[in-house]
Amino acid sequence: DGGITQSPKYLFRKEGQNVTLSCEQNLNHDAMYWYRQDPGQGLRLIYYSQIVNDFQKGDIAEGYSVSREKKESFPLTVTSAQKNPTAFYLCASSIAGRSPLAQYFGPGTRLTVL
Amino acid sequence: AQKITQTQPGMFVQEKEAVTLDCTYDTSDQSYGLFWYKQPSSGEMIFLIYQGSYDEQNATEGRYSLNFQKARKSANLVISASQLGDSAMYFCAMREGEGAGGTSYGKLTFGQGTILTVHP
Repeated sequence: DGGITQSPKYLFRKEGQNVTLSCEQNLNHDAMYWYRQDPGQGLRLIYYSQIVNDFQKGDIAEGYSVSREKKESFPLTVTSAQKNPTAFYLCASSIAGRSPLAQYFGPGTRLTVL
Repeated sequence: AQKITQTQPGMFVQEKEAVTLDCTYDTSDQSYGLFWYKQPSSGEMIFLIYQGSYDEQNATEGRYSLNFQKARKSANLVISASQLGDSAMYFCAMREGEGAGGTSYGKLTFGQGTILTVHP
């Protein structure tokens, strides 16, 4: 089945450690996105990528890094520079150029910093 | 300034009745797209419906319809015949800078969301 997978579902890390969240899609979508959601809030864009080997900062990129070496994969690293990393992280993908198809989301990773 | 405003933190509706979730937006672009997503307690975001700024007809998808009033910059979601499974958080989102025909790479800007509770 086509879809977006994110792993792990729950992630705990100690303060000061970097951690990488996985996002894989087999929808053959060109564009991929990372969002952060805090409790009771909407989503905020961290990074997005339209094509392989290219990505752009979103609204809250500080303390995060990404790579896009393959079309299917867009991992997000939460670095120790991120001041408040505890949040729900959602990955999404879309076909570039056709808005009605929208962005489709993975199940999310809940990160907790201990 | 907020680009997407959802003024209803929470809404209650009786099963089988209709409910309207409000969304207003702010943009200076002529071409943009409006989206509604549903987020159940599991956390996954489910795409519901889309409206392009150039679309003359209001979008409909099954029990979902979008009441698009361009002059008022509002894009309210109407859910008809509510079901218990409709209980969730609902987000309105906008993508600016869309080309004619809906071509766009643009990012989505989300509102704060509305929690809908359907009572039996």
